[in-house]
Amino acid sequence: EPEVTQTPSHQVTQMGQEVILRCVPISNHLYFYWYRQILGQKVEFLVSFYNNEISEKSEIFDDQFSVERPDGSNFTLKIRSTKLEDSAMYFCASREERYNEQFFGPGTRLTVL
Amino acid sequence: GENVEQHPSTLSVQEGDSAVIKCTYSDSASNYFPWYKQELGKRPQLIIDIRSNVGEKKDQRIAVTLNKTAKHFSLHITETQPEDSAVYFCAEKRNSGYSTLTFGKGTMLLVSP
Repeated sequence: EPEVTQTPSHQVTQMGQEVILRCVPISNHLYFYWYRQILGQKVEFLVSFYNNEISEKSEIFDDQFSVERPDGSNFTLKIRSTKLEDSAMYFCASREERYNEQFFGPGTRLTVL
Repeated sequence: GENVEQHPSTLSVQEGDSAVIKCTYSDSASNYFPWYKQELGKRPQLIIDIRSNVGEKKDQRIAVTLNKTAKHFSLHITETQPEDSAVYFCAEKRNSGYSTLTFGKGTMLLVSP
């Protein structure tokens, strides 16, 4: 069964550094999402992406964040200047056009020191 | 305030007992309500979902009920097993937008043998 994949599984970075989190959505899916989950808390929506542009974003997704689909398979989340409070698990998700079900990737644990 | 409220935050049951987790939402335009199970350190996985035109849905030991008038929906797990132990998140999707999910805070279910 196809799955969403994410790399790296764990990223450690220094405050102020840029990070890029990578996702490969399921191949026939057209809607892509990024969520984050601070340790022990709920999953929070960051951004949705469709037809090569951002369709929705939350108040968390400020100017430090950007998303890109650089090719036909990858979907990336960039944080330009990381802050301590960016430490969290970041989940990518994707879905088909016809269905509501979102499939989540295994997540990238970002630790900002 | 919270768009989705989830109770209880923790739930301990004996193996074989039933478990019920409840969520309330505020947006009457919401039309899709999934439940995700998240085992420790793993990705959220959809276990059951319900659309707003249906009052109840069942899949083996798991069922979800929806009361649109009262704006609440519940997850019911019967004959619980130790492997049901996990964090369960409810979520809702508004009728508009791109299927952005808003999650509840989660319920940690512990099933003791």
